[in-house]
Amino acid sequence: DTAVSQTPKYLVTQMGNDKSIKCEQNLGHDTMYWYKQDSKKFLKIMFSYNNKELIINETVPNRFSPKSPDKAHLNLHINSLELGDSAVYFCASSSGLAGGNYEQYFGPGTRLTVT
Amino acid sequence: QKEVEQNSGPLSVPEGAIASLNCTYSDRGSQSFFWYRQYSGKSPELIMFIYSNGDKEDGRFTAQLNKASQYVSLLIRDSQPSDSATYLCAVTGDYKLSFGAGTTVTVRA
Repeated sequence: DTAVSQTPKYLVTQMGNDKSIKCEQNLGHDTMYWYKQDSKKFLKIMFSYNNKELIINETVPNRFSPKSPDKAHLNLHINSLELGDSAVYFCASSSGLAGGNYEQYFGPGTRLTVT
Repeated sequence: QKEVEQNSGPLSVPEGAIASLNCTYSDRGSQSFFWYRQYSGKSPELIMFIYSNGDKEDGRFTAQLNKASQYVSLLIRDSQPSDSATYLCAVTGDYKLSFGAGTTVTVRA
């Protein structure tokens, strides 16, 4: 069974469109994250949720809106897509808040290409 | 200013040699330090973490931490072609992991 899954794996869309990426974890973890990895492979935290509560909201444009309907799911909705949003988006989860010795398990990633 | 710095590489080592990867961080309050490996086109996976000064060994991997110098390193002994990947250093702080840009390692057969 896949521990952290994301859909879709690939997403190609045009500028100005709105799109969503879904993430689910079956590890029973309390904390979930969204990361963005740009073309230079730099992995940067965007959001983190703990028990459905927003913990981290980095300096991300408000076109990005996360939603956590329950502890096992964390979705990412992006409005008015821009060329600079092209990247690989990773979902991750951990049993405790980052800051402790908690391994983060990453999903397979969603490669978003905005044309 | 970057919070976590790594040599971007690429670092090329012959099979069987030791690969040495370095990482420095700026937040003196950081408590835990992680090394992730990422194969091309794949997601990061944890190799090991360390939180006490000194060395921690796990198989062919050894992590070294020096909090006074704000320095953490990873040694890969007996490097294998399957070790060819990008290695990401990550540091905790403010309830988040901050990643370095990664060091790409190529092991020559």
